[in-house]
Amino acid sequence: AQSVAQPEDQVNVAEGNPLTVKCTYSVSGNPYLFWYVQYPNRGLQFLLKYITGDNLVKGSYGFEAEFNKSQTSFHLKKPSALVSDSALYFCAVRVSNTGGFKTIFGAGTRLFVKA
Amino acid sequence: DVKVTQSSRYLVKRTGEKVFLECVQDMDHENMFWYRQDPGLGLRLIYFSYDVKMKEKGDIPEGYSVSREKKERFSLILESASTNQTSMYLCASSLQGLWTEAFFGQGTRLTVV
Repeated sequence: AQSVAQPEDQVNVAEGNPLTVKCTYSVSGNPYLFWYVQYPNRGLQFLLKYITGDNLVKGSYGFEAEFNKSQTSFHLKKPSALVSDSALYFCAVRVSNTGGFKTIFGAGTRLFVKA
Repeated sequence: DVKVTQSSRYLVKRTGEKVFLECVQDMDHENMFWYRQDPGLGLRLIYFSYDVKMKEKGDIPEGYSVSREKKERFSLILESASTNQTSMYLCASSLQGLWTEAFFGQGTRLTVV
C-alpha cells in the first residue's frame, strides 16, 4: 500500500539550533513530494516541493528539504530555528492512479521551538 | 494574493441536520478538494473534483456528498450529521498536474451535538 510516514509526533528544538522533521514514503512510480505547514486554527500553507532534479529543494521561510531516493525520504530542514516556526508540519506525496492522481498526507509532526 | 475561502470558521449543528460547507477559490483552478483533519490521522480525502459538475470519491466519502456547479465553488454536504463527523474540514484547490501544490482554506471546525 502507498503511504507516507512521519515517525515523530513531536520535535523539540531550541531557538537558533538546526531542525529536522522527518518523512519517509512508500509509493510505486516516481513521487512528487511536498511539505506544508499549519499554524493554529489555520489551513495548510505550501512550503516546498520536489519534482525532479537537484535533491536539495529550497522553500519558504528559510526551509529546505532533501530528497533521498535510496532511503525513500524527504526530510525537512532549517539551519536555525525560530520560535515562530512552531507549528504542525505535514509531508505529502502525490502519485498517479487510475482516474488521475492521489495525494497522501502524513499524520503530521508538531514542532516546538523554545526561546 | 491567491485565496481559498470557506464560508464558516466554526459551526455547531445537531445530530440529523443537513449541513452545507461552502468553499470558493479565486485562482481559476481546475481541481478542488475536501479533506477532514483529525488528530493523529493527518488529512483524509473526502471528495475531489477536477472540473465543473465532475466529482470523484476520496478515501472516506460515506455520509458526505458534494456539488460543483461553478468552477470557483465546491460545496460539501453532510446529508444527516452525526457526532462522528465532528472534525476540522479543509477545502483546497490546485491546478491540473501531479506537480502542482494545493492552496488551502482556513478550515471549518464542525461540532455535531
